[in-house]
Amino acid sequence: DVHMTQSPSSLSASVGDRITITCQASQDIRSSLNWFQQKPGKAPKLLIYGASNLETGVPSRFSGRFSGTDFTFTISGLQPEDFATYYCQQYDNLPPTFGGGTKVEIK
Amino acid sequence: QVQLQESGPGLVKPSETLSLTCTVSGDSISSFYWSWIRQSPEKGLEWIGYISYTGTMNYNPSLMGRVTMSLDTSKNQFSLNLASVTTADTAVYYCTRGKASPYDWGQGTLVTVSS
Repeated sequence: DVHMTQSPSSLSASVGDRITITCQASQDIRSSLNWFQQKPGKAPKLLIYGASNLETGVPSRFSGRFSGTDFTFTISGLQPEDFATYYCQQYDNLPPTFGGGTKVEIK
Repeated sequence: QVQLQESGPGLVKPSETLSLTCTVSGDSISSFYWSWIRQSPEKGLEWIGYISYTGTMNYNPSLMGRVTMSLDTSKNQFSLNLASVTTADTAVYYCTRGKASPYDWGQGTLVTVSS
């Protein structure tokens, strides 16, 4: 299985901050990576697919990029509704696998 | 817009079979791939497997042959059976639309394995 190492596991930030989350794949997964947002008691919501493509309706303050097996997810200008847990997920190889999550909390 | 809704028992005894159904609205299950994913504090998010509109299936090897999935096109539903459950199978189970990349998710249903 492809192992996804996501960091940090949690972070504290203020409204308006720029934050970055990283995921490293244990092998080449090309650009086959999703980023999800999950709020308590809710299902994950797809934000970015193909490492850098914004899902329809997702605000442009969310972005993703990658280089090799290193993937980054950025929120530029954190909003109150962005405090949640974020997950990366690779879908290049079966079984698809997820990172351990990053909980973004209010400072 | 597609909507998915899981249903099934919230409590299952150890060694028994967990059975869940996902009802799809807003799309035909005869048109795409459909998957199950579960989430627990211990294991995080774990992909269980998918079934396609043609009946092709692929399951996570970690579940060691305990999983079966099926489609009921007449009811626009698909189902999950997980046999010989243990407490390690306690999780929130989600049905999703997608093969390896889940685009749309149900709200999830908590299944507890306990005697």
